[in-house]
Amino acid sequence: KNQVEQSPQSLIILEGKNCTLQCNYTVSPFSNLRWYKQDTGRGPVSLTIMTFSENTKSNGRYTATLDADTKQSSLHITASQLSDSASYICVVSGESGGSYIPTFGRGTSLIVHP
Amino acid sequence: DGGITQSPKYLFRKEGQNVTLSCEQNLNHDAMYWYRQDPGQGLRLIYYSQIVNDFQKGDIAEGYSVSREKKESFPLTVTSAQKNPTAFYLCASSIGGYTEAFFGQGTRLTVV
Repeated sequence: KNQVEQSPQSLIILEGKNCTLQCNYTVSPFSNLRWYKQDTGRGPVSLTIMTFSENTKSNGRYTATLDADTKQSSLHITASQLSDSASYICVVSGESGGSYIPTFGRGTSLIVHP
Repeated sequence: DGGITQSPKYLFRKEGQNVTLSCEQNLNHDAMYWYRQDPGQGLRLIYYSQIVNDFQKGDIAEGYSVSREKKESFPLTVTSAQKNPTAFYLCASSIGGYTEAFFGQGTRLTVV
């Protein structure tokens, strides 16, 4: 069964600090991995998307890495801001019978304190 | 503006009533999806559609129904057969199943 596990479940950091969120997956065959940011009560917004051949991708202060061999990804947030407080969701898509169905992790809840 | 719109944002219904959630997109995307999100849980796929007049069940389709008569629209009906309908419902669309998905702002359904 395809699974996506995220850690930690929640994280509290001080404004200005860096942090790293983890994502392990068992989705096979692998198509792509995406990180989304979801503010409370809103729809998720895409941060990065990576395919098998990519091992790092940045979007401003967000940098995602992918190790397809170990099936692990991380999202690094640099110089955190109060507006980074949100849930960060890892999504992995696998191919099945011509369809690409995403599997969602449960998310990491990040709180940035002033 | 291009985007994906869900309506209403909040919806209240009495137990035993069917209710339909709207999802419209003007991004010219072929694929559309419905997800359910419960507190502390990841998004779970209810139904998805890759082309007009075709849709497939996701992991938790029981108690739900959909239609895809137009490319732009993918309404979700929560029927009285759904045992725990109170949840946050998210609609998404993408060019194809392997590409980035864009999400609507969600509909919070409360059944009393």
